[in-house]
Amino acid sequence: EAGVTQFPSHSVIEKGQTVTLRCDPISGHDNLYWYRRVMGKEIKFLLHFVKESKQDESGMPNNRFLAERTGGTYSTLKVQPAELEDSGVYFCASSPRQAKRETQYFGPGTRLLVL
Amino acid sequence: DAKTTQPNSMESNEEEPVHLPCNHSTISGTDYIHWYRQLPSQGPEYVIHGLTSNVNNRMASLAIAEDRKSSTLILHRATLRDAAVYYCILSTTGNQFYFGTGTSLTVIP
Repeated sequence: EAGVTQFPSHSVIEKGQTVTLRCDPISGHDNLYWYRRVMGKEIKFLLHFVKESKQDESGMPNNRFLAERTGGTYSTLKVQPAELEDSGVYFCASSPRQAKRETQYFGPGTRLLVL
Repeated sequence: DAKTTQPNSMESNEEEPVHLPCNHSTISGTDYIHWYRQLPSQGPEYVIHGLTSNVNNRMASLAIAEDRKSSTLILHRATLRDAAVYYCILSTTGNQFYFGTGTSLTVIP
């Protein structure tokens, strides 16, 4: 079974540019989560999809971040325009819907550097 | 504003037990305690989780204090492959994960 995949693995962009991160969850997983770790901080929750619906987006830092999950399969996280403080590692995780407090399976992350 | 606190780093000798502590004094009655670990250039990987009772699996044991304000991850025999950053995490009713800052475990051959 393929794990959670993320693309790209690394991205270097200039301040003001747009970047789109992609996450492919494990096949059949309804739940999809985005997290990020910025420099010197702990990993923090951004948002949670159940299929194509946003269940909880309380962690999104501001309106420069837009997440989508059309069709309930893969998800994209767009940052527009990117700022220096957006640099960090963005993780995606997925989980099936059946169990309560189920294990989340994390992807390897996308390392974003904004110059 | 992390909900869990952990030591920044710990060392252990190979083949000896390791006890990784975590404090979560603000835990609510419905929060689960999870432990994940992260190897370089990889995402966090599940280790173990529990609610109130101690838990054992093939990777580790989780000892939860009676008042649930702290927990300890126990690796029974550390190997070099156990060197990683270990995260103590609380999950809420919405299954949102609250990560601690993690403990970097060094295993000494």
